[in-house]
Amino acid sequence: QLQLQESGPGLVRPSETLSLTCTVSGGSIGTNYHWAWIRQPPGKGLEWIGSIYYSGSTYYNPSLKSRVTISVDTSKNQVSLKLRSVTAADTAVYYCARHDGLYVSFDYWGQGTLVTVSS
Amino acid sequence: QSVLTQPPSASGTPGQRVTISCSGSSSNIGSNTVNWYQQLPGTAPKLLIYTNSHRPSGVPDRFSGSKSGTSASLAISGLQSEDEADYYCATWDDSLNGWVFGGGTKLTVL
Repeated sequence: QLQLQESGPGLVRPSETLSLTCTVSGGSIGTNYHWAWIRQPPGKGLEWIGSIYYSGSTYYNPSLKSRVTISVDTSKNQVSLKLRSVTAADTAVYYCARHDGLYVSFDYWGQGTLVTVSS
Repeated sequence: QSVLTQPPSASGTPGQRVTISCSGSSSNIGSNTVNWYQQLPGTAPKLLIYTNSHRPSGVPDRFSGSKSGTSASLAISGLQSEDEADYYCATWDDSLNGWVFGGGTKLTVL
């Protein structure tokens, strides 16, 4: 059974860089899938951050594109997220998810990790 | 303000049928398929309906989805207490060149 697990600091200072890792187990990340980051501010809805194909092609939410980098490490079976110059508005639960094609539904999700931006 | 519009809340009694709407535009729902996600309290979203009307393995046939023009709907029949959750629609937007979600609908089973 495919499992996704997000990890990283739970607290980030304003103006710094948020860095998270999604470790995939029970399957290879280096197959014909896209891997996404999606976030959810406390008490609010879902927002797509971006997606990456296993080969490295990336697609970002235009509203976040200037601050986001998503990368993949097939040797470690991991997908990473970096979000620069964070503010309190970036406080959210961050999820990684798999989708079988850029335009295809997110079929596997990680449990999510809460990141709080605060000094 | 979400690109896709959902009612913030819906409710029903056990056994009833409820529907949740999702309204978009020609650049999103009008040209792409719609997926629905169920988020139980304190958990990650789960894929409920994909490609407008298909259920993943394990999703009861009480859940059904449909799409017409620039709108989509999720129907839940034989409502059960465990269906109490937040429901989100999602699709690709050709103008924004990215995934967009509805604001979510909180379903209460009375």
